[in-house]
Amino acid sequence: DQQVKQNSPSLSVQEGRISILNCDYTNSMFDYFLWYKKYPAEGPTFLISISSIKDKNEDGRFTVFLNKSAKHLSLHIVPSQPGDSAVYFCAASANEAGSYQLTFGKGTKLSVIP
Amino acid sequence: NAGVTQTPKFRVLKTGQSMTLLCAQDMNHEYMYWYRQDPGMGLRLIHYSVGEGTTAKGEVPDGYNVSRLKKQNFLLGLESAAPSQTSVYFCASSYFYEQFFGPGTRLTVL
Repeated sequence: DQQVKQNSPSLSVQEGRISILNCDYTNSMFDYFLWYKKYPAEGPTFLISISSIKDKNEDGRFTVFLNKSAKHLSLHIVPSQPGDSAVYFCAASANEAGSYQLTFGKGTKLSVIP
Repeated sequence: NAGVTQTPKFRVLKTGQSMTLLCAQDMNHEYMYWYRQDPGMGLRLIHYSVGEGTTAKGEVPDGYNVSRLKKQNFLLGLESAAPSQTSVYFCASSYFYEQFFGPGTRLTVL
């Protein structure tokens, strides 16, 4: 049973517009959430994170929003740039057994059209 | 700093052969992880380690073994490779929640 769900396999956005990537989770024990970006033939790279005690975190063009009651988080990219075209993974952690394990969604492929 | 490195980058095996994938990190991280990525499946945790000399099973451990004899290295072994183990393998390390990933090893089992 998938605990972290990214229901949109792909998303296309015009350059300069806002990209909104969504993620839902089912495990109420998750207390930390991360977004990773992945280019083809490379490893995932960390983008931004949020603790469950916050509802928003910003870093430049990237903002993550967390709605705990809905078990939903979203990543906003404003403005979108062609270099943002990549696969974005949502990940969550319940810090089980002190291991900081992450559970990943299946990813959303973002295409930013010039 | 090299970060997280993985050896080899590519490998083709025949069914039944064995091999070891090596992961090395130079960030003095306690935690290390092995994932596999398959099309449409995201990243799935195979095994992980919370410190030198320790290992534990993740979500998909069957067919794999691991060892963490030195803090900076985490080895993933396939004793008898099967076509179902064709995948891209990623190693990661962390202090806490943020994991740093290596570039991946693309493994094909014929």
